[in-house]
Amino acid sequence: EAGVAQSPRYKIIEKRQSVAFWCNPISGHATLYWYQQILGQGPKLLIQFQNNGVVDDSQLPKDRFSAERLKGVDSTLKIQPAKLEDSAVYLCASTLGGGYYEQYFGPGTRLTVT
Amino acid sequence: AQSVAQPEDQVNVAEGNPLTVKCTYSVSGNPYLFWYVQYPNRGLQFLLKYITGDNLVKGSYGFEAEFNKSQTSFHLKKPSALVSDSALYFCAVRDIRGDDMRFGAGTRLTVKP
Repeated sequence: EAGVAQSPRYKIIEKRQSVAFWCNPISGHATLYWYQQILGQGPKLLIQFQNNGVVDDSQLPKDRFSAERLKGVDSTLKIQPAKLEDSAVYLCASTLGGGYYEQYFGPGTRLTVT
Repeated sequence: AQSVAQPEDQVNVAEGNPLTVKCTYSVSGNPYLFWYVQYPNRGLQFLLKYITGDNLVKGSYGFEAEFNKSQTSFHLKKPSALVSDSALYFCAVRDIRGDDMRFGAGTRLTVKP
């Protein structure tokens, strides 16, 4: 079974530029999450999708971050414009459902904003 | 809202010795509890979870965890540590009535030969 795919793996941009991350979840997984992991901290949920609908985006900084999941499969997370404090690893995870189902994580995208 | 505390930033053990990585949680209802491991430049990998039933849960790579409701703890254990167990370990909790999963800050485990 193929895992969660993410690209790019690394990205360096200047502040005020824009950036986009892509995620392809495990086939058949209806629920998809984007997390932000700042160095030395645990993952923090940014947004959760159930199929192509948003379940929870309460911690997404909507003035600069946006995400979509077209057709309920792939997802894209965008930051525009980026700030220095956005430097982090962005993790995508998918799962069969909520509750007691474990999440499967992609390798992450390490973003450095200079 | 639920929360997780991992009181130790760093745990050091000698190879062959038992290891424990501590986790305490707070939820308003009953919890689902998870342990994940993260190797350098990799995403998180699922190790084990507690749903209900037996308080001792066995998972991947010889790890196990004990759920203690009275102490609201879910400590990760392994009888004999390997150098290859060196990694970052995260505990996570989800209230059974909700979808929101919260992660601890992580504990870095170092196993020395």
